Amino acid sequence: GAGVSQTPSNKVTEKGKYVELRCDPISGHTALYWYRQSLGQGPEFLIYFQGTGAADDSGLPNDRFFAVRPEGSVSTLKIQRTERGDSAVYLCASSVEGGQPQHFGDGTRLSIL
Amino acid sequence: KNQVEQSPQSLIILEGKNCTLQCNYTVSPFSNLRWYKQDTGRGPVSLTIMTFSENTKSNGRYTATLDADTKQSSLHITASQLSDSASYICVVSCILTGGGNKLTFGTGTQLKVEL
Repeated sequence: GAGVSQTPSNKVTEKGKYVELRCDPISGHTALYWYRQSLGQGPEFLIYFQGTGAADDSGLPNDRFFAVRPEGSVSTLKIQRTERGDSAVYLCASSVEGGQPQHFGDGTRLSIL
Repeated sequence: KNQVEQSPQSLIILEGKNCTLQCNYTVSPFSNLRWYKQDTGRGPVSLTIMTFSENTKSNGRYTATLDADTKQSSLHITASQLSDSASYICVVSCILTGGGNKLTFGTGTQLKVEL
C-alpha cells in the first residue's frame, strides 16, 4: 500500500507477557517515529529513527520498551513484562527525511488484561 | 516542559455552521505548528502546517492562524459537514538533535457535527 502500515491492528495480551508491534513505513522514507496515545490524550513521542539508528529515544518510558529498525525500513516496537498501564494505541509515522511532514499509520491498539 | 493546550475540549455544532478551535503552546525551540484531524480508530492526518513567519494558512474549508508572539493558534472551520466530526489536534514541532522533528501533541478538541 501507499501509506504507513501497522500490524497487528489490535493486540490483547495478559500482564507480564512480551509483545512486538510492527511498522512498515512508506517506501523510501528514511525517518520513522513511534508514538503512544492513551485514551482521550494526544500522542506522546517515544522514539525516532533516522535510517537504522535511533537518533532520539528520550520518549521511551523505561527499559521495558525497546525498538529496532535493522535494515532502515520496517521497525518493531518491543515491550517486555507488559503492565496494564501500557494499554494504549501505538502509532507509527514516517517522513521522507527528518524534519519533513510525518505520515501516520492507523496504530496498534494494545490492551493488557 | 513543552506543552500544547487546546480548547474547547469538545464541541457540538449544527451542520453548515462555522467554528473556531484554539491552541496555546509553550514548545521551544519552535519549528512549526500543524493541525491534524484524527478520525476514530485512525491515525492523524495533517490539515495545515505553518512556520514561524506564517500568520495564516488555508486548506479548503479549514483556515489556521498563528501568532508566534503570543504562542497561540486557531483553526477555523467554515460551512461544517457531518464528515468533519473528528478530533482536531494541534501539534507543535521542534527540531531534534538527530535532525528529525519532535512533535508535541495537544489533547485535541472533539468536534461533533449534527443535523
